[in-house]
Amino acid sequence: KQEVTQIPAALSVPEGENLVLNCSFTDSAIYNLQWFRQDPGKGLTSLLLIQSSQREQTSGRLNASLDKSSGRSTLYIAASQPGDSATYLCAVRAGGTSYGKLTFGQGTILTVHP
Amino acid sequence: NAGVMQNPRHLVRRRGQEARLRCSPMKGHSHVYWYRQLPEEGLKFMVYLQKENIIDESGMPKERFSAEFPKEGPSILRIQQVVRGDSAAYFCASSPMSGIDSTGELFFGEGSRLTVL
Repeated sequence: KQEVTQIPAALSVPEGENLVLNCSFTDSAIYNLQWFRQDPGKGLTSLLLIQSSQREQTSGRLNASLDKSSGRSTLYIAASQPGDSATYLCAVRAGGTSYGKLTFGQGTILTVHP
Repeated sequence: NAGVMQNPRHLVRRRGQEARLRCSPMKGHSHVYWYRQLPEEGLKFMVYLQKENIIDESGMPKERFSAEFPKEGPSILRIQQVVRGDSAAYFCASSPMSGIDSTGELFFGEGSRLTVL
């Protein structure tokens, strides 16, 4: 059974800092890994999707890496801003097919203060 | 291109009533997933459907919960005889048809928040 763990559970940083969010998963046989952002009372916004054959993906100030063999992914946020404050969720999709259920971590609650 | 549409956004029910949550996937998407987010818990998979077929319902409670995705119209998650423990945010997600060009990316709706009094 796949289990996904996110560390830290919460993070508070001053504006401008670079930060790293961690995600680990127990079964390395994944199809892809997706990072999401969730604002309070809102839905999930997809940030980055990394296929199992890829090592990293970048979008603006965000960079996500994947080390499938060790079961780890990191989300790097450069020059953080108060608008980055949200819960960040990591989710992995089971291997073998392009569809299938995601297993989510518990999330990291990020607060960026001015 | 509209995103995944869920309604109602908020629903209040008394114990014993029925709750019906609707989800219209993104245009061109034929895979629908339902997830539940209980207070202070992570998102948990409930069910995966394609048109007129339930593919994986391993996350659905055995009783009172059912889901469908008819040939025409939205996908519906139905909860009968609701109890307070059903209070949660229910999220729908969709993805395109599977295939060599599919990334397998999921797109989520804004969720339906059910409160059981």
